[in-house]
Amino acid sequence: AQKVTQAQTEISVVEKEDVTLDCVYETRDTTYYLFWYKQPPSGELVFLIRRNSFDEQNEISGRYSWNFQKSTSSFNFTITASQVVDSAVYFCALKGTGGFKTIFGAGTRLFVKA
Amino acid sequence: SAVISQKPSRDICQRGTSLTIQCQVDSQVTMMFWYRQQPGQSLTLIATANQGSEATYESGFVIDKFPISRPNLTFSTLTVSNMSPEDSSIYLCSVEEGQTYNEQFFGPGTRLTVL
Repeated sequence: AQKVTQAQTEISVVEKEDVTLDCVYETRDTTYYLFWYKQPPSGELVFLIRRNSFDEQNEISGRYSWNFQKSTSSFNFTITASQVVDSAVYFCALKGTGGFKTIFGAGTRLFVKA
Repeated sequence: SAVISQKPSRDICQRGTSLTIQCQVDSQVTMMFWYRQQPGQSLTLIATANQGSEATYESGFVIDKFPISRPNLTFSTLTVSNMSPEDSSIYLCSVEEGQTYNEQFFGPGTRLTVL
């Protein structure tokens, strides 16, 4: 069975702080894909990143960075120098190759205070 | 990435009525997905809709309650039938893209409130 766990329900930080959102996953597939999505208060889901299971390189995009560790089944997301506009719910998701279904974690609500 | 639009963006409906949500994509896609997001919750897949075949429903969702149409490769509808307040949710349409069809993009969602 596949599962995504985002243990942090809510995180509150002050602007300019760094924050890491945790994601732990379970799958029996040897090839799989991991995703992060952002859902701002307006409700739309914004695709942030996709990671293949065979590519463990960490990625940086501006203030965003992702740390993929296959050994611990984790795919954590760090926002550096957070801003108020980063306030949103962030979802980690997993898709195996055994089917078409993408499994979403429960989400982490991030509050960034000015 | 594909541009996905949904209509209506939001609606307030009375118990016992039905609402049809439309999803339009600006390119042809093989698979379309319908998700439900209840207030404060994560996304739950309702069904997968392929053109030319019946939708495949996930456990806990049935065709009588959530009939889906997929008349062509750019359009799909989801109907929420005989609504109750428990159906109040955001309903999201989604498509897959990318070389290996593993990048999943979402429409803006339809925010439904049932009184």
